[in-house]
Amino acid sequence: DQQVKQNSPSLSVQEGRISILNCDYTNSMFDYFLWYKKYPAEGPTFLISISSIKDKNEDGRFTVFLNKSAKHLSLHIVPSQPGDSAVYFCAASDTGGGNKLTFGTGTQLKVEL
Amino acid sequence: GAGVSQSPSNKVTEKGKDVELRCDPISGHTALYWYRQSLGQGLEFLIYFQGNSAPDKSGLPSDRFSAERTGGSVSTLTIQRTQQEDSAVYLCASSLIGLNTGELFFGEGSRLTVL
Repeated sequence: DQQVKQNSPSLSVQEGRISILNCDYTNSMFDYFLWYKKYPAEGPTFLISISSIKDKNEDGRFTVFLNKSAKHLSLHIVPSQPGDSAVYFCAASDTGGGNKLTFGTGTQLKVEL
Repeated sequence: GAGVSQSPSNKVTEKGKDVELRCDPISGHTALYWYRQSLGQGLEFLIYFQGNSAPDKSGLPSDRFSAERTGGSVSTLTIQRTQQEDSAVYLCASSLIGLNTGELFFGEGSRLTVL
């Protein structure tokens, strides 16, 4: 039972354009959402997060949008840069029910020159 | 170093052998997590430690898997009688207190290959 789903295994975008990575979840108890970025042979690193009391959080080139009614979140990267090429994992937690993050399967983003 | 340290970085073993994977979390982090990533899969939760106790070990796939943490610091994940399906990258992460901020700091992982 995949509670966090990233249906696009890969995405290719031109440098300077917007990258949009999508994530869907099924567990209505999730109230905190995060995006992690992973380069090859490295551990994932935290990128940005959002609480369920908000619908948008922005940090520089990165913005996360949350649509609770649709159980959907997205990560926007504008403008995309070649250094953004990595695997992006969506993650969710039920902060009142435990201390683990549930991760999606990841989306490989490739930003081309 | 200041980050989460894992060893070995790579381990190749024969089916049926036992393996131990080690994690040294960031100093002062009370929470420690083990995840694994199999080929083409997401990060799968295995176990969570708060201090030396494990309030959530629901992700351990079988009784061949066990983990301990001593001194509120180093953790060891042990896999007994390894099987080929145990092949994966095992990732350790730590965080300061828990998930209020949600930020986990991951190590580089231990890649396990079971032949």
